[in-house]
Amino acid sequence: NAGVMQNPRHLVRRRGQEARLRCSPVKGHSHVYWYRQLPEEGLKFMVYLQKENIIDESGMPKERFSAEFPKEGPSILRIQQVVRGDSAAYFCASSRRDSDGYTFGSGTRLTVV
Amino acid sequence: GENVEQHPSTLSVQEGDSAVIKCTYSDSASNYFPWYKQELGKRPQLIIDIRSNVGEKKDQRIAVTLNKTAKHFSLHITETQPEDSAVYFCAASIFSGGGADGLTFGKGTHLIIQP
Repeated sequence: NAGVMQNPRHLVRRRGQEARLRCSPVKGHSHVYWYRQLPEEGLKFMVYLQKENIIDESGMPKERFSAEFPKEGPSILRIQQVVRGDSAAYFCASSRRDSDGYTFGSGTRLTVV
Repeated sequence: GENVEQHPSTLSVQEGDSAVIKCTYSDSASNYFPWYKQELGKRPQLIIDIRSNVGEKKDQRIAVTLNKTAKHFSLHITETQPEDSAVYFCAASIFSGGGADGLTFGKGTHLIIQP
């Protein structure tokens, strides 16, 4: 029973490029959450999605960031025109509709050069 | 929105002693309070959680207490061991029948176990 799968584990992008981060939730989990962790800091909530719906995007920057969780396939966090300040670890978590427990993935470490 | 404060930011204890980390939250609607342990470069790992209908929960050397009136909860680790050294995060969220909201995390406590 695989846990939350995130890929890639490490991603290097030049300023101005696009970054696409993927998250496959635990089988049977219908809720996906994305968090950002800056070095030496806690995790900051970004967005909460269910299949084909964004439930809460209150933590998402207004520009350049978008997220989706299509009917088929993984959830995608997209960052357009990356800047150095986007360098961080991005963690995905999933949960079941009837549970308050979360399972975290191993994260994607984005470095913008 | 919810705001979670965590103290201390760094805690150094002698091996075998107890460690206590404290958190406060602001939203009285929050009803789920997990604690995560994160080792360097790794994912957050759930170590214990508590729901608002319970005041205390224990799992071997780890216990969590919750005071809903004061809106604070604490993590207690007894008989600390070197492998307990890590960063610990508290968090809060609201769980309703349709699912759980996103977690609001504290800033973390770097726990150092001195041999």
